[in-house]
Amino acid sequence: DGGITQSPKYLFRKEGQNVTLSCEQNLNHDAMYWYRQDPGQGLRLIYYSQIVNDFQKGDIAEGYSVSREKKESFPLTVTSAQKNPTAFYLCASSSGGYTGELFFGEGSRLTVL
Amino acid sequence: GDSVTQMEGPVTLSEEAFLTINCTYTATGYPSLFWYVQYPGEGLQLLLKATKADDKGSNKGFEATYRKETTSFHLEKGSVQVSDSAVYFCALSDRSNTGKLIFGQGTTLQVKP
Repeated sequence: DGGITQSPKYLFRKEGQNVTLSCEQNLNHDAMYWYRQDPGQGLRLIYYSQIVNDFQKGDIAEGYSVSREKKESFPLTVTSAQKNPTAFYLCASSSGGYTGELFFGEGSRLTVL
Repeated sequence: GDSVTQMEGPVTLSEEAFLTINCTYTATGYPSLFWYVQYPGEGLQLLLKATKADDKGSNKGFEATYRKETTSFHLEKGSVQVSDSAVYFCALSDRSNTGKLIFGQGTTLQVKP
């Protein structure tokens, strides 16, 4: 089945540690996105990529990093510089353009202990 | 910048009641508008969309009409079911062709039998 796979579903980390969240898609989409979801705040864009080897910062990129070495993959690293990393992280992809829908993965919940 | 405002929740209804969730937006130009639904512990799924003024999006008994004059995209359903209990997000896509969406804060709907 085509879709987006995020892993792990749940992740715990100690303060000061970097952690990488995986996102893989087999929809052959050019564009991929990372959003952060906090209770009562909706979704906020962290990074997005419209093509391999290129990506742009979203609204809350500080403390995060990404790479886009393959079309299918868009991993997100939450670094120790992110002050409040506990959140639900959602990866999405689309065929691009302003009328296209985003397809979301099931999310990764990160808890910093 | 562009933004989306949704009515605050939670919204609690009895089964078969009429549902309205208000959504208004601020945007330059003419964005595409979306409603997404999120069931507990899952990612977001597209519910419906409209890409130009006066368009009506519909799916699974839900409807929303793109009203340019009131900058609104209210979600309605004539008769809700317990299975409609979820968080609903209104979103807009600007005309920058990046495909990224700007989301409202989400409205939680709880339907009681």
